[in-house]
Amino acid sequence: GAVVSQHPSRVICKSGTSVKIECRSLDFQATTMFWYRQFPKKSLMLMATSNEGSKATYEQGVEKDKFLINHASLTLSTLTVTSAHPEDSSFYICSAISGSAQETQYFGPGTRLLVL
Amino acid sequence: GENVEQHPSTLSVQEGDSAVIKCTYSDSASNYFPWYKQELGKRPQLIIDIRSNVGEKKDQRIAVTLNKTAKHFSLHITETQPEDSAVYFCAAKTAPGRLYFGRGTQLTVWP
Repeated sequence: GAVVSQHPSRVICKSGTSVKIECRSLDFQATTMFWYRQFPKKSLMLMATSNEGSKATYEQGVEKDKFLINHASLTLSTLTVTSAHPEDSSFYICSAISGSAQETQYFGPGTRLLVL
Repeated sequence: GENVEQHPSTLSVQEGDSAVIKCTYSDSASNYFPWYKQELGKRPQLIIDIRSNVGEKKDQRIAVTLNKTAKHFSLHITETQPEDSAVYFCAAKTAPGRLYFGRGTQLTVWP
């Protein structure tokens, strides 16, 4: 149980375009999902907390107009990187909290974004 | 926000030896401390966790200790095997539910 999927697994786009990444909890309902960014050989940096039916809470320094988060249902959160630039290239990982545990975060497989 | 420091950044051990990774945290309100193992290009996998009301937890070859007073916690892996080679991250959860990660430790176990 507690499986989280992400789509796409990798995406290459041109500078100036927008990219949407989906995060789904497959076998449980996730009231809260989290989005992280990871640079090569670096740690996971929390970007935002996504709550179903409400606005996301962004960490300090993360541009909310740049990284749009929508948590429309208990099993789906999306991250849209708007007007992507090469510096947005990174590994984006989502996680979800299993309702019963409330603490353990289960991670998706990640999405590798390359902006040319 | 929470600040999690992790040491060492790299650790090489011989197969069969023990490995210890240490972390400190800054926010006394943090109450949950998981450890994740991440292999190259893959998702982090939870390997063990500890809550603030417990001082020590063990699961086979892996153990975690927590010192709330000193705000530090450690991961201990005994009888290391080559398949233990990966990047290990500690994390601390603050009251609002956010996880903050350490910088990671690249563990290499030589056969």
